[in-house]
Formats: sequence, structure tokens, C-alpha cells
Amino acid sequence: AQKITQTQPGMFVQEKEAVTLDCTYDTSDQSYGLFWYKQPSSGEMIFLIYQGSYDEQNATEGRYSLNFQKARKSANLVISASQLGDSAMYFCAMREGAFKAAGNKLTFGGGTRVLVKP
Amino acid sequence: EAGVAQSPRYKIIEKRQSVAFWCNPISGHATLYWYQQILGQGPKLLIQFQNNGVVDDSQLPKDRFSAERLKGVDSTLKIQPAKLEDSAVYLCASSLDGVGDTQYFGPGTRLTVL
Repeated sequence: AQKITQTQPGMFVQEKEAVTLDCTYDTSDQSYGLFWYKQPSSGEMIFLIYQGSYDEQNATEGRYSLNFQKARKSANLVISASQLGDSAMYFCAMREGAFKAAGNKLTFGGGTRVLVKP
Repeated sequence: EAGVAQSPRYKIIEKRQSVAFWCNPISGHATLYWYQQILGQGPKLLIQFQNNGVVDDSQLPKDRFSAERLKGVDSTLKIQPAKLEDSAVYLCASSLDGVGDTQYFGPGTRLTVL
């Protein structure tokens, strides 16, 4: 079974509107972390937002917020007030297990391409 | 603060040739990662270093791929000999352990094997 599933291969969104990108995950660990990255056409992965499994509040970073529903194992990204520069691939990723000093590998989903229309 | 640096940005080779990629992580970051991203997919971890020691190389095709991180800073990933299916973007990332485990990525090297 896939550990990270992003069911939306592509989405159109009107400029200034909000968009929700879906992400579901599968893990048996109690401690884990969820990340969202943006990958524009230039190729660089840009870190957007992080949610720890024990965090009680949903993470927010500027126009990005993470809708974390632990029981449903979902971690959807919400982008508010979309801008043309938001057009990119978006990847959800998971770090399983408790954070350790040696670092933890990330498992990525297949990504969702977002195109913002003017 | 300078980000993760990678070179070259693009490389085209023929199958059975060898190629090497270079990565310089963010200053002070102890952990360095190499990912392979095939077109249309998410990145997949190839190898992870903590300082100059290997933490995880379970998904590295060791018959053709090798990586080193001398002195715990820069790293080199090598493919020898290359196959057509190695065509991908190779991403390097680093993280500052003890503060958080967010990984910061470089711009990647796009490899085309003909």
C-alpha cells in the first residue's frame, strides 16, 4: 500500500480563490511528521509547512494552512488567495517515527499540479 | 543564508557512460540526502548521510550508484555505468538536526541518458 496518496493529479484555480490539495497517509507509527513542498518548473523543492502528529492545532504559514485530521489520516493543504506564482507541483511527504538526531527520510506522494488562472 | 548548491544543473550522457553530481549543503547542516525524482513522480530517497557516515542507503542501486561525503560537508553522487532508466532529476537536501528535521532542497541536476 502506498504510504502517501495524492489523488488529484491536476487542478485549476482562479486567481484570488482558495484551493485545497488532498493528501492521505498510511502509517502505524504514533509519532510522525507531515510536510508539504512546492516544486515550480525550475525544479527546486520549496518547503511550505509542517505538521507533527502530536500537534493539537493545525499548522499555518502565511497563506498556507494544513487541515490535519488524524483519525482520517489526512493532511490537506489549503492555499488561500491564490496567486499566479502559486502555479507549481505540490508534494505531500511523511517522516515516520519519532524525530531522531540522525534525521529521518521522507516518503513523498505523487504530487498535484496546480495551475492558477488569471 | 546560502541554500543547498548543486552542479551541474543539466547533464546529457549516453548509456554505459559515467556521471557525477556534486552537492554543497547549507552551512552547519549535519544530515545530507540524495533523492531521485523520475518524471511525473515524487522524489525517492537514494542515500542519507549523517556527517560523513551513511545512515540509510537501502534504496541505492549499489551495483551502479555510489556516493560519498568526505569531511562531512560536500557530497558526490556517481553513476557508473548509466542506464536509460536513470534519466531523472537528482535532488540533494540537507537538514539541521537538533533544531528540526525540515529538509531543504537544492535546485537539482536533470540527467538525460540517451
